[in-house]
Amino acid sequence: NAGVTQTPKFRILKIGQSMTLQCAQDMNHNYMYWYRQDPGMGLKLIYYSVGAGITDKGEVPNGYNVSRSTTEDFPLRLELAAPSQTSVYFCASTDRITTYQPQHFGDGTRLSIL
Amino acid sequence: KQEVTQIPAALSVPEGENLVLNCSFTDSAIYNLQWFRQDPGKGLTSLLLIQSSQREQTSGRLNASLDKSSGRSTLYIAASQPGDSATYLCAVRGETSGSRLTFGEGTQLTVNP
Repeated sequence: NAGVTQTPKFRILKIGQSMTLQCAQDMNHNYMYWYRQDPGMGLKLIYYSVGAGITDKGEVPNGYNVSRSTTEDFPLRLELAAPSQTSVYFCASTDRITTYQPQHFGDGTRLSIL
Repeated sequence: KQEVTQIPAALSVPEGENLVLNCSFTDSAIYNLQWFRQDPGKGLTSLLLIQSSQREQTSGRLNASLDKSSGRSTLYIAASQPGDSATYLCAVRGETSGSRLTFGEGTQLTVNP
């Protein structure tokens, strides 16, 4: 049972570099989400997708981009990395938006910008 | 804008104690409320999900209650064990937010043997 898989688990970037955080789910879920979690804080939504080809901004989208070309994959791109983007990034998915469906989370990518 | 607050931020208890974690939210127009557990270096695991029409949900030693009108939920853990040590997060899904969740900042629980 793979569930939601995120790669890499850890990464250190220099200011101004770019990278893509990968997220894949094997549950055929339509809805996928990217969150960031800063130390001692809750999760804040960056971007989300309700299906292949459809994405929308969350609460903190600045400095990030996403794409959703397949149901399974939802990569998050950081352009021109900044120290403020140092955080733990979580990807999640859910099947439907019926009220009793929980979101399934990956183990996170820990990103440091130096 | 929905805001979710969790009290206390941290809690340390001896093994065997019953305990209550609190979650409050500012907008009572919600579809559901979820309680998650987060272990260090790991993602979130959904523990309980309460629909807006429900008053409580139970799973083993866990019981979550919801008072939608007052914007409050509690997570009750009976006979706590060291393995319960983790951060507990609550999140609400608002009626106008589609499938998006708004999270609290979490309560870090330590159960001492």
